Amino acid sequence: SAVISQKPSRDICQRGTSLTIQCQVDSQVTMMFWYRQQPGQSLTLIATANQGSEATYESGFVIDKFPISRPNLTFSTLTVSNMSPEDSSIYLCSVRKEDEQFFGPGTRLTVL
Amino acid sequence: ILNVEQSPQSLHVQEGDSTNFTCSFPSSNFYALHWYRWETAKSPEALFVMTLNGDEKKKGRISATLNTKEGYSYLYIKGSQPEDSATYLCAFLYGNKLVFGAGTILRVKS
Repeated sequence: SAVISQKPSRDICQRGTSLTIQCQVDSQVTMMFWYRQQPGQSLTLIATANQGSEATYESGFVIDKFPISRPNLTFSTLTVSNMSPEDSSIYLCSVRKEDEQFFGPGTRLTVL
Repeated sequence: ILNVEQSPQSLHVQEGDSTNFTCSFPSSNFYALHWYRWETAKSPEALFVMTLNGDEKKKGRISATLNTKEGYSYLYIKGSQPEDSATYLCAFLYGNKLVFGAGTILRVKS
């Protein structure tokens, strides 16, 4: 299994500012994923972050808006840039180990 | 665009009732279907990873079945308890990515 922690657990931010979310895993993993869940919506994949390469973004998500770092096999950050109220969501970090996928507890972001 | 549908959207049951939810997914290029249980402010908890047509898996009072030919999976909870209250998510594995349904919100009243 994998134990994942995220910081911060929640935040309230002003429009136009940026927030960086940290994800720490208790073991080395190759594949890390960032998801978000907007109110009333499905969990949606933002990007896949593999160590040593650029993150791969899903349709509708771009690096300028959601820059990702993956400096080693246990850590990643996601930045939500130039925030607007539409960015209010729960952001989750996730890792794949063998056939299972594990999730962090999420960061609940509210943008005013 | 991959579509993973879950029904019902929400469910309110009495303690002791048995209940079930449905997950529909594309029947072509199937690799795996995941079920998760997600309580507020906690990590989604993996319940089952289902890979074979006709699979039936069980964990305590919760079980799941899989039909890959027609593209659906059922999750059953026998004798619901208040602690079963959560959002139940299914996710279809597409390449390296999990594609999630919107979830079924279960509330169990004591």
